[in-house]
Amino acid sequence: LAKTTQPISMDSYEGQEVNITCSHNNIATNDYITWYQQFPSQGPRFIIQGYKTKVTNEVASLFIPADRKSSTLSLPRVSLSDTAVYYCLVGDASGYSSASKIIFGSGTRLSIRP
Amino acid sequence: DAGVTQSPTHLIKTRGQQVTLRCSPKSGHDTVSWYQQALGQGPQFIFQYYEEEERQRGNFPDRFSGHQFPNYSSELNVNALLLGDSALYLCASSWTGTAPDTQYFGPGTRLTVL
Repeated sequence: LAKTTQPISMDSYEGQEVNITCSHNNIATNDYITWYQQFPSQGPRFIIQGYKTKVTNEVASLFIPADRKSSTLSLPRVSLSDTAVYYCLVGDASGYSSASKIIFGSGTRLSIRP
Repeated sequence: DAGVTQSPTHLIKTRGQQVTLRCSPKSGHDTVSWYQQALGQGPQFIFQYYEEEERQRGNFPDRFSGHQFPNYSSELNVNALLLGDSALYLCASSWTGTAPDTQYFGPGTRLTVL
């Protein structure tokens, strides 16, 4: 199983760019990297997913180096509403969902200050 | 388009009782996964249902069982409740036809066992 390691917590200020790095040294060839955001008492929300290089959507960017042993979630110009727990997951890319192989871990608690 | 819905929102039970939680997947999704999230921890995979059968299972005892109906909705049953079963129970749906699949989570059911 591909285990991930993230910082336990991070602090930043409104308007800043926040980068959260995740280590996944044992990532397999078929594995994709997915990031979720979770607010208190709510279910996780999909943010972004990628396999290699860079992926960007309206919410965030995901940077994946060539060796794929780590990835960085980049949140541009954060606001107070970005305060949440962020989870990095590594899972099989096949159409057959390998949910049992996906481990959430404890995530990174991001706190944004005014 | 309704997302994943779960009922009830909150539930209080006593030790030894049985509980049933319900989930309706996002429109177009055929796969339902259940997760248990203890306070301060990441979600832990319980099991996944596809085509009305349990396809994958995490490290949970047989007291945890489930069912998927022809309309893809699902139930999670927990028998002989223990204090340690108190948690947020999350349902996530996805469509097996996509690769990689992305899970959409419901708001969860908060179960308190006294």
